[in-house]
Amino acid sequence: EPEVTQTPSHQVTQMGQEVILRCVPISNHLYFYWYRQILGQKVEFLVSFYNNEISEKSEIFDDQFSVERPDGSNFTLKIRSTKLEDSAMYFCASTKEQRHQTQYFGPGTRLLVL
Amino acid sequence: KNQVEQSPQSLIILEGKNCTLQCNYTVSPFSNLRWYKQDTGRGPVSLTIMTFSENTKSNGRYTATLDADTKQSSLHITASQLSDSASYICVVGSVGGTYKYIFGTGTRLKVLA
Repeated sequence: EPEVTQTPSHQVTQMGQEVILRCVPISNHLYFYWYRQILGQKVEFLVSFYNNEISEKSEIFDDQFSVERPDGSNFTLKIRSTKLEDSAMYFCASTKEQRHQTQYFGPGTRLLVL
Repeated sequence: KNQVEQSPQSLIILEGKNCTLQCNYTVSPFSNLRWYKQDTGRGPVSLTIMTFSENTKSNGRYTATLDADTKQSSLHITASQLSDSASYICVVGSVGGTYKYIFGTGTRLKVLA
């Protein structure tokens, strides 16, 4: 069964550094999402992406975050200057068509900012 | 304020028993309600999606109900198995200018042999 993949599985970085988290959504899906989950807290929506542009974003998704679909398969989340509070599990998800379709989540990237 | 509250926070049951998890929301305008299962350290897996007009949806041993009038949903698990041990998350989608996904904090279920 097709699945969403994410790399790396773990990332450790120094505060102030830039990180890029990578995701490969399911191949025929059109809507892509990033979420984060701080340890012990609930999952939080960051951004959704459709037709090569951001369709919705949350208050968390400020200027230090950006997303990109650089080619036909990858979907990336860039954090420009990481802060300690960016430490979290970051999940990518994709949906085949409309918003009401099932979202398929990747296994996540655990980011630790020191 | 848009909120999704789940109860109980945690639950322990014996294998083979049934259980019901609750979700109350104050999200408006409402678009859809989803239940996810999340194993520790893994991404959520979708169980059910319900829109405003649906009041029940089943997926195997999982049955979700929705009362849009009282803004309540429940997830009923029948004949629990050890593999049902996970967090169960209620998520409400809202369309109002910006489409939002509001997550609950989850119910942590432990099924014991």
